Parts: sequence; structure tokens; C-alpha cells
Amino acid sequence: DIQMTQSPSSLSASVGDRVTITCRASQTIRSNLNWYQQKPGKAPNLLIYGVSSLQSGVPSRFGGSGSGTDFTLTISSVQPEDFATYYCQQSNSIPLTFGGGTRVEIK
Amino acid sequence: EGQLVESGGGLIQPGGSLRLSCAASGFTVSNNYMNWVRQAPGKGLEWVSVIHFGGGTYYADSVKGRFTMSRDSSKNTVYLQMNSLRADDTAVYYCARAPGHYDLDLWGQGTTVTVSS
Repeated sequence: DIQMTQSPSSLSASVGDRVTITCRASQTIRSNLNWYQQKPGKAPNLLIYGVSSLQSGVPSRFGGSGSGTDFTLTISSVQPEDFATYYCQQSNSIPLTFGGGTRVEIK
Repeated sequence: EGQLVESGGGLIQPGGSLRLSCAASGFTVSNNYMNWVRQAPGKGLEWVSVIHFGGGTYYADSVKGRFTMSRDSSKNTVYLQMNSLRADDTAVYYCARAPGHYDLDLWGQGTTVTVSS
């Protein structure tokens, strides 16, 4: 199985800060990497697919990059509605696997 | 756009069985990869199973041999039959659509399964 390791597990940021979350795969997953946002008590929501493609309706302040085994989610200027938990997920092979999550909190 | 509505969760004793349902509207389940993903209380996301276009199914090792995923195209619904339930199966179970690849672009609201005596 492909292991997905996210860092940090949590971070504190102020509104307007640039936020970066990293995700590392235990083996190459090419460009098969997705990012999800989850708010408390809600289902996850697909933000980015295929490393860097924004899902419809997702604000352009969200961006993704990387290839192979190392990937990054960036929020260029974090807004109040962005405080949530973020998960990466590899879509390269079954079983699908998720990172452990990164909780983004208000400083 | 589409909608997914899960049902069937509840409190069940260890060793028991439950069947979860996921009713879809606005799209056809048999034209998509349909998945179940679960989240234990306070924990992260864990993929459980998928049913492909042709009806083939795949499972996480943690549920293989105990859970069975199926599809009723006439009802546009997918199911998860869960047998031999254990305490560590306690979670919110989400149904999620993947249109042709494993990008989970539509999720239901989830149904809670609690395995406890």
C-alpha cells in the first residue's frame, strides 16, 4: 500500500497569511494526488485534483504543486472560511490512501 | 451536479451486521466509480471500498471478507453490507463518487455506525 505522510499535523495562521502544507508518498504516484478540505461535522470537499487542477468553485487562492512523491498545497492568503482540516489522497492505485490531515487553526 | 444520501447506520453489537445504503440523484451510479470512505471519531479518512463501472469491487484489507459492496442500477443506489462488525469499525461512513478516476468529487453527508455492547 502507498503511505501518505502530511506535515505539519496542525498549524496556526492569521487571516491573510500564506499557508503551505506538504504531502509525501511512500512511492511515486506520478500526478495522481488530490486535496480535500473538511470542516467539523461535514463531509470532505474536493479542492484540487491531479496535483494542481482546481475543482469547480474553488477559489484561486488555493494552489497545488509537485510530482512523483512530494506535493504541496498552498493557500496564498488564508481567509476565515479556510480554517479547516486538509487531507491529501493518492489516486494512483487501490487501496486509495489519505494523509493523516493538517488542521489549520486561527492564530 | 448530483446528490448522495446515505442511510442505514446505527448502534450494533460486536459481531452483528448492518447494511448501509447510498441513494444517488442527478447522475447514474453505474457510470461512475462509487466508493465508501469512513472516519472514526476524531480520526482521519480511511478508504473502505469501490465498485467499478463493470461491477468489480475492491476492499481495504481491514474489511476484506467482512464487507461487501453492491449496486442496484434500477434504484441508482449502492450498498455496503457489513458483517462481523468490530468496535474498530465505529465511524462515520461516507459514500463518494469518482467519475472515471479516483478523484472523489461528490460526497454524501455520512451515516454513523457505532459498534458497542
